[in-house]
Amino acid sequence: GIQVEQSPPDLILQEGANSTLRCNFSDSVNNLQWFHQNPWGQLINLFYIPSGTKQNGRLSATTVATERYSLLYISSSQTTDSGVYFCAVIANGGSQGNLIFGKGTKLSVKP
Amino acid sequence: NAGVTQTPKFQVLKTGQSMTLQCAQDMNHNSMYWYRQDPGMGLRLIYYSASEGTTDKGEVPNGYNVSRLNKREFSLRLESAAPSQTSVYFCASTFLDGNTEAFFGQGTRLTVV
Repeated sequence: GIQVEQSPPDLILQEGANSTLRCNFSDSVNNLQWFHQNPWGQLINLFYIPSGTKQNGRLSATTVATERYSLLYISSSQTTDSGVYFCAVIANGGSQGNLIFGKGTKLSVKP
Repeated sequence: NAGVTQTPKFQVLKTGQSMTLQCAQDMNHNSMYWYRQDPGMGLRLIYYSASEGTTDKGEVPNGYNVSRLNKREFSLRLESAAPSQTSVYFCASTFLDGNTEAFFGQGTRLTVV
């Protein structure tokens, strides 16, 4: 089945710094989502981005489907950005909308 | 518009006990899913229901059963809980056609002792 790899696994930032999180996937996809899991365990939808670029405030994401990767950019990070960021995909021809998750990037933003 | 609602939020079971996790969505989605999340890992699919009246196994179905009660509700049952089922359980829903963005409930933290 499709493999989803996220990097880096851990990231520590000083408040105000910028960062880029990467998601590589091993096969073509027809859905890609980025989620933020906050310290309380909630999964928050950040982007639905099977291709192209989107921006939402300090966050933006780019998916290059032909090269099988997606990037999540966080600018001017804040302590509330801390948590785990997950990339999840549905493979083309994938089973009934099943999202396959990467293992996540754990982000800690220090004040 | 509550989105996806799971109950309960927390549960402690003794080994061998049974329980049902409830999930309801109000977005008129046709597909619903149960995932589990173990420490340091992403989510893994337990069961899913592509549409009302259908259910199928996911990656880790052993020890679980599901019921798609109607279009809104999808329940997950543990018939005889085991410590290996200690996990955080998430329900999700999506449309299957067109925009397949998935939305998740707030999770159920289950501990089996």
